[in-house]
Amino acid sequence: EAQVTQNPRYLITVTGKKLTVTCSQNMNHEYMSWYRQDPGLGLRQIYYSMNVEVTDKGDVPEGYKVSRKEKRNFPLILESPSPNQTSLYFCASSLYPGGGYTFGSGTRLTVV
Amino acid sequence: TQLLEQSPQFLSIQEGENLTVYCNSSSVFSSLQWYRQEPGEGPVLLVTVVTGGEVKKLKRLTFQFGDARKDSSLHITAAQPGDTGLYLCAGTEDAGNMLTFGGGTRLMVKP
Repeated sequence: EAQVTQNPRYLITVTGKKLTVTCSQNMNHEYMSWYRQDPGLGLRQIYYSMNVEVTDKGDVPEGYKVSRKEKRNFPLILESPSPNQTSLYFCASSLYPGGGYTFGSGTRLTVV
Repeated sequence: TQLLEQSPQFLSIQEGENLTVYCNSSSVFSSLQWYRQEPGEGPVLLVTVVTGGEVKKLKRLTFQFGDARKDSSLHITAAQPGDTGLYLCAGTEDAGNMLTFGGGTRLMVKP
């Protein structure tokens, strides 16, 4: 089954403790992206990647890092999480930038 | 100000009614997509439109891309409770690489 898999689904952590949210897709898509979704602010892009070793900032990249060492994986790293990064995070992939996206099921992160 | 403005933000209707959701921008888009999202889940792609004036139908849903590729609409005929959800438009600007989302329209269809 074609899918984007994110882990974990739920995560509660403390301020300053580094964490990684994993994302993997099995569709051989070149384009991958991370979004956060907050009430009243909608879906905002954090980072995107057009291919292996090619990444770029989205609208809200501060406090986040990404890497794209393999085509299928695009982890999101929070080096020092803060409470304002409490949010619902989605990874998505597409064959090309203007194409339809397949989204993961989301990771609900709470930073206390 | 969002790049893509959706209206209305909220819509509550009775089963069997028709409705239209709008997605407007001052920018030109090379492609525009519509998604539906259920609570706690990721958005699911409904349609992608790429040609100005294009109309696509998906059962009771009709999607239209404006002639100038700056706006789009989603029309639902004879809405059913199963249509309840958050509807999102998203677009990629000409010569752009980012997919930007509108604020969403939360639809509730009452039996």
